[in-house]
Amino acid sequence: EVQLVESGGGLVKPGGSLRLSCAASGFTFSVYNMNWVRQAPGKGLEWVSSIGTDSSYKFYVDSVKGRFTISRDNAKNSLDLQMNSLRAEDTAVYYCGRVMGGYDTIDSWGQGILVTVSS
Amino acid sequence: QSVLTQAPSASGTPGQRVTISCSGSSSNIGSNPVSWYQQLPGTAPKLLIYSNNQRPSGVPDRFSGSKSGTSASLAISGLQSEDEADYYCAAWDDSLNVLFGGGTKLTVL
Repeated sequence: EVQLVESGGGLVKPGGSLRLSCAASGFTFSVYNMNWVRQAPGKGLEWVSSIGTDSSYKFYVDSVKGRFTISRDNAKNSLDLQMNSLRAEDTAVYYCGRVMGGYDTIDSWGQGILVTVSS
Repeated sequence: QSVLTQAPSASGTPGQRVTISCSGSSSNIGSNPVSWYQQLPGTAPKLLIYSNNQRPSGVPDRFSGSKSGTSASLAISGLQSEDEADYYCAAWDDSLNVLFGGGTKLTVL
């Protein structure tokens, strides 16, 4: 069974940093591209970042470029999102997702982890 | 503001067929396949349709997708109460972004 479990969320002050992790199991992690998607309270889904299987491709939504860094460790079956210079508008539930085919196709999702940016 | 445009709400009665639309442009829907997601309250999204009209295993054939030009549609036939959820379209954009629609909240009356 495919499982994706996010961790590392919580409350952080504006300008602070957090590192989200996603532990993958039940599939061959190294052959799948991976995504981070977020959802602000009461709002819709927003794609945040994608990473290719060997980390050679990394894409980010404009609003997080220069602040967030996506990475993966295929040996540990883990996906990370380093978030720096956090802003109130980054407050959201963050989901990691396994990509099937095109980067827009996420066939498995984690349960999500809440990040709250507030003073 | 989403670049993929969806109506914020839709509704139907049990057994009815409803359609949810998603409008984009030549750089996204017009040149790349579309996927659709269902999000039940308080849960993570679930993939419903990929590559415009393909259903993952386990998704009932009541759900179908189509695309024409720069627009896509999700149709739900034989509407059931458990279909009440938020529905999102998504597509790759040639500017190297994944775009989601703003979402459509489906109410089963």
